[in-house]
Amino acid sequence: AQSVAQPEDQVNVAEGNPLTVKCTYSVSGNPYLFWYVQYPNRGLQFLLKYITGDNLVKGSYGFEAEFNKSQTSFHLKKPSALVSDSALYFCAVRRGYSTLTFGKGTMLLVSP
Amino acid sequence: EPEVTQTPSHQVTQMGQEVILRCVPISNHLYFYWYRQILGQKVEFLVSFYNNEISEKSEIFDDQFSVERPDGSNFTLKIRSTKLEDSAMYFCATAIAGIDTQYFGPGTRLTVL
Repeated sequence: AQSVAQPEDQVNVAEGNPLTVKCTYSVSGNPYLFWYVQYPNRGLQFLLKYITGDNLVKGSYGFEAEFNKSQTSFHLKKPSALVSDSALYFCAVRRGYSTLTFGKGTMLLVSP
Repeated sequence: EPEVTQTPSHQVTQMGQEVILRCVPISNHLYFYWYRQILGQKVEFLVSFYNNEISEKSEIFDDQFSVERPDGSNFTLKIRSTKLEDSAMYFCATAIAGIDTQYFGPGTRLTVL
């Protein structure tokens, strides 16, 4: 069975500061890892993914994520947060062709 | 940029009634999925569909649920006899291939009274 843990319900950061949203996973075999963002009353928007290769993955809107196999983590990062980044962020894992398993989500609040 | 669309955006129904939720996939996508998100909870997988067959389903997807792609464009989720606990946001997702990124629609909020 595969699972995802997002240990923080909410992350607060001031605009212009770096942000990190944490994610750890459990899956047998090689993981495929994803980050999605959900704005109010909207669907899930794909941000970035790790399949193989470079451990640092760059995605949309200046976000990046670092895959760490030894720590089974895939933390989402951005060097300088914007107020418009405030949203609900979901980490998800998949093994091969299996379905996505999501974490419970982390609310990111960026204050002006 | 192509998007997955879903109709209706909101659906209110009485317990025991049938509902059909509709999804229009991105045009060259061949793999289709339904997920649901009960308010305040995580997104949960319901079913995957490829080549007019269910590929995989979760334990949530019981006999009350069915999926089909009746006209080659719409991908539908039917709940035969809704229960209060079916109230949730239902998301359709599509992908070019089973291994590829899944792109999600905006969701249908289902409220069962």
